[in-house]
Amino acid sequence: GENVEQHPSTLSVQEGDSAVIKCTYSDSASNYFPWYKQELGKRPQLIIDIRSNVGEKKDQRIAVTLNKTAKHFSLHITETQPEDSAVYFCAGGENKLSFGAGTTVTVRA
Amino acid sequence: NAGVTQTPKFRVLKTGQSMTLLCAQDMNHEYMYWYRQDPGMGLRLIHYSVGEGTTAKGEVPDGYNVSRLKKQNFLLGLESAAPSQTSVYFCASSEGQPQHFGDGTRLSIL
Repeated sequence: GENVEQHPSTLSVQEGDSAVIKCTYSDSASNYFPWYKQELGKRPQLIIDIRSNVGEKKDQRIAVTLNKTAKHFSLHITETQPEDSAVYFCAGGENKLSFGAGTTVTVRA
Repeated sequence: NAGVTQTPKFRVLKTGQSMTLLCAQDMNHEYMYWYRQDPGMGLRLIHYSVGEGTTAKGEVPDGYNVSRLKKQNFLLGLESAAPSQTSVYFCASSEGQPQHFGDGTRLSIL
């Protein structure tokens, strides 16, 4: 089955700086890669996703890049704000998803 | 639309007791999933369903059973609860992708 690894496990950035989270996957058949944000005690919420026929996708301050050859994808958050502080999860698969272990992002004011 | 609704929100059980977690979705989605979330381990798939009357094992199915008798409901059962099953349980549904999650059930086994 699919195995998704996520790095780093924690990330602290100064407000206004950029944050980058990286994930690798093992199954070349995986074609869908979402990113979820989870605030403490809340449900995971989709923030952006990308399919394997696209190399990059952007939505305001958030962007995701995918390198199918290297089997890795990354989340980029620019101009970070305190409300970006949360746990972020990457995932990969098709109808079934395998999730990374999560990255705790702290934005320092 | 309520989306995905999980009941109960919290529960404390004693070792050996049984219980059923209910997930209901009002989006007419074909796919439904049960995950458990433990600190530092992300979300792990327990069982899933690709349509009414179907179920399949995920990554960590042992100790759990599921049923999907109606399209809108997906039940997760613990026949004999163990302390290792203390976790937060999330249900999700989708029509392909993306998956939409419920608010979770926090379950403690003493």
